[in-house]
Amino acid sequence: DAMVIQNPRYQVTQFGKPVTLSCSQTLNHNVMYWYQQKSSQAPKLLFHYYDKDFNNEADTPDNFQSRRPNTSFCFLDIRSPGLGDAAMYLCATSTRQGGIQYFGAGTRLSVL
Amino acid sequence: SQKIEQNSEALNIQEGKTATLTCNYTNYSPAYLQWYRQDPGRGPVFLLLIRENEKEKRKERLKVTFDTTLKQSLFHITASQPADSATYLCALDLSNSGYALNFGKGTSLLVTP
Repeated sequence: DAMVIQNPRYQVTQFGKPVTLSCSQTLNHNVMYWYQQKSSQAPKLLFHYYDKDFNNEADTPDNFQSRRPNTSFCFLDIRSPGLGDAAMYLCATSTRQGGIQYFGAGTRLSVL
Repeated sequence: SQKIEQNSEALNIQEGKTATLTCNYTNYSPAYLQWYRQDPGRGPVFLLLIRENEKEKRKERLKVTFDTTLKQSLFHITASQPADSATYLCALDLSNSGYALNFGKGTSLLVTP
């Protein structure tokens, strides 16, 4: 089945130690999104790619970076994780900007 | 500021009853509104999309209404089942960016046998 896959499901990192989360999709969608979701909060959009065009939200910290080497893969890099970055990170895809979004299962990040 | 409001308190209902969840938004009039279901520890799953010129949309036991005058959407689950227990999020493009979906915090629904 076509889907959005996030790896790993759980990631533990140390304060200040860079970490990379990955997302792959078999849907061949043009748009890929990264969201941060903290407990009982709404998913918060960090950035998105429309094909190779990168769009950063104004309030996304510089500590968060992203790469999309090809249509299928997208990575979220957190350069120096702080305790406040512990959250669920969700990847989503869409056929067009603003369209229905298909989410992966998420990566739960813990920062020690 | 523009925002989306969903009932923060959990909704507890008995199996077989109709669950009604509310989504209110401010300022902007979106072209469409979406509803998602999220289970604990999982990503949201799309349920329904309703456009501004549609008053109502149905899918099996689900029904969504969209009142652009009240700036409100109602999400109904009829003949609710324990398997419907989850958090339900509404989402819309608050800033008319054309690409972003702003999500509400969601309402937790618990259906008891």
